[in-house]
Amino acid sequence: GAVVSQHPSRVICKSGTSVKIECRSLDFQATTMFWYRQFPKKSLMLMATSNEGSKATYEQGVEKDKFLINHASLTLSTLTVTSAHPEDSSFYICSARPLTSDTQYFGPGTRLTVL
Amino acid sequence: QQQVKQSPQSLIVQKGGISIINCAYENTAFDYFPWYQQFPGKGPALLIAIRPDVSEKKEGRFTISFNKSAKQFSLHIMDSQPGDSATYFCAASNREYGNKLVFGAGTILRVKS
Repeated sequence: GAVVSQHPSRVICKSGTSVKIECRSLDFQATTMFWYRQFPKKSLMLMATSNEGSKATYEQGVEKDKFLINHASLTLSTLTVTSAHPEDSSFYICSARPLTSDTQYFGPGTRLTVL
Repeated sequence: QQQVKQSPQSLIVQKGGISIINCAYENTAFDYFPWYQQFPGKGPALLIAIRPDVSEKKEGRFTISFNKSAKQFSLHIMDSQPGDSATYFCAASNREYGNKLVFGAGTILRVKS
């Protein structure tokens, strides 16, 4: 149980385009989902907290107009990287927290490469 | 005060040995302490977690030891295997802060066969 999926697993795009990443909790409902960014050999950096039906809360220094987050249902959150540039290339990981748990379950991650 | 300090940065252990990773925190409001294992190119996977009212928790070869007064907790991997070679992250969270995880910097474990 507690499976979180992400799609796509890998994406390559041209500079200036937008990319959407989906995060789904497959076997549980999650009022809260989190989006992280991870650089090579580094820890996870929280970008934003996404609550179903409300606006996402962004961490300090994260541009909310660049990283659009939508949490449309209890099982789906999306991250859209708008007008992507090479510096946005990174490993993006989502996590989801079941309704009655403190545990976050992570997705497999999405490798974004912006050319 | 929101930091979680993790050590060592990297660790090499012989097969069958014990791997020990330590973490320390400052914020006494933290009430949940999970450990995650991450393989290259994959998302972190929950290994084991503990709350401050318990001093030790064991699941298979993995044990968390928790010292509330010292504000420290550690992961012990018994009978370490080459398949345990991965990056390990400790973390801490608090319900009042929205369950946001504060991660340690990570420990790269290599188990030599």
